[in-house]
Amino acid sequence: GEEVAQTPKHLVRGEGQKAKLYCAPIKGHSYVFWYQQVLKNEFKFLISFQNENVFDETGMPKERFSAKCLPNSPCSLEIQATKLEDSAVYFCASSPSGLAGGRYEQYFGPGTRLTVT
Amino acid sequence: SQQGEEDPQALSIQEGENATMNCSYKTSINNLQWYRQNSGRGLVHLILIRSNEREKHSGRLRVTLDTSKKSSSLLITASRAADTASYFCAAMDSNYQLIWGAGTKLIIKP
Repeated sequence: GEEVAQTPKHLVRGEGQKAKLYCAPIKGHSYVFWYQQVLKNEFKFLISFQNENVFDETGMPKERFSAKCLPNSPCSLEIQATKLEDSAVYFCASSPSGLAGGRYEQYFGPGTRLTVT
Repeated sequence: SQQGEEDPQALSIQEGENATMNCSYKTSINNLQWYRQNSGRGLVHLILIRSNEREKHSGRLRVTLDTSKKSSSLLITASRAADTASYFCAAMDSNYQLIWGAGTKLIIKP
């Protein structure tokens, strides 16, 4: 598609439950990024993919967070055993031909608001 | 962790006036980008300036970059009510990771 799609729009989970978020990047874009935004500021980088391969995962809290981008499937971000501090809006972004091609701008989806109660 | 800083945190001006936002960063960069976020929505890419550029224009937007001071500014001329949003700078480091500022909330009063 022409826009980054994210589902669901809102997700409510009790503390300790699992949360799974999905992202469909713009068709033809090689790079996918996940960010966490807390309190409408502080975008925190989580992980990026080049096609189905992890490109940079330095921002991921590895104990409970995992992500995948498999061929012909939406990308996913999964949080096992959610905690209250995981409450945030999670944004997915995709980027065209990519860093090697000098295309650095990112196109963002509308986000998934995760509320952990 | 957050390494970029923006000021002001909030800016309220009359429609038609110019708005200037500033951004500072700490690392060496490949490029610096500015994004807009309307309330409750995703980010929209506005403009990118490469590390070897000093100034760039796009419509009513003017971006400057001073790599010696590790700072950038975004100027919006002849502001409109529709410009009301939060504006974020993001510096791309040598690992191609975006380091975000905390954002400037811009309010345009009619």
